[in-house]
Amino acid sequence: AQSVTQPDIHITVSEGASLELRCNYSYGATPYLFWYVQSPGQGLQLLLKYFSGDTLVQGIKGFEAEFKRSQSSFNLRKPSVHWSDAAEYFCAVGAPGGSYIPTFGRGTSLIVHP
Amino acid sequence: NAGVTQTPKFRVLKTGQSMTLLCAQDMNHEYMYWYRQDPGMGLRLIHYSVGEGTTAKGEVPDGYNVSRLKKQNFLLGLESAAPSQTSVYFCASSPSGNEQFFGPGTRLTVL
Repeated sequence: AQSVTQPDIHITVSEGASLELRCNYSYGATPYLFWYVQSPGQGLQLLLKYFSGDTLVQGIKGFEAEFKRSQSSFNLRKPSVHWSDAAEYFCAVGAPGGSYIPTFGRGTSLIVHP
Repeated sequence: NAGVTQTPKFRVLKTGQSMTLLCAQDMNHEYMYWYRQDPGMGLRLIHYSVGEGTTAKGEVPDGYNVSRLKKQNFLLGLESAAPSQTSVYFCASSPSGNEQFFGPGTRLTVL
């Protein structure tokens, strides 16, 4: 069975600083990987996804993530954070041709200081 | 395209009352899901459907029932609401069972 760990419950950064949110997964093969963002009072929105190919994927809102098979990681990055990026971020893993139920991490809350 | 819509947006129930939450999607997706979100607990899957006429239990199905009579709709029912069901409920749909599209949520309070 697949699993996802987001080690950081909260992350605080200053506006303009760089950001990295960690995600580690457990799966027997190469999984499908996703990052979602949830702004306060709203549903989740897909930021980016990795299925195969280039291990550095670009997403919306200036985010990118890198798949590192050797570390079982899929960390989310942004070079310069904006105050509007304050939100909850969820990493998820899916099984190619598998159970149709993606597994979500518990989420990381991003706080942005002016 | 409205995407995924949820009705109602807010609801307050008394213990023992029943209600149905409606999820509708206009993307012709096969897969649909109901989650609940509670502080510190992340998203927990209640029930899901892999196609019209099918339903299956997720991680926390007790106290809930679902139906998928039409491909575009996925209904979540609470037969006898309890305070432990106070939560924010999200519906999602997916074309493939992986990438998901979420609705805006329903905030339910059970007194």
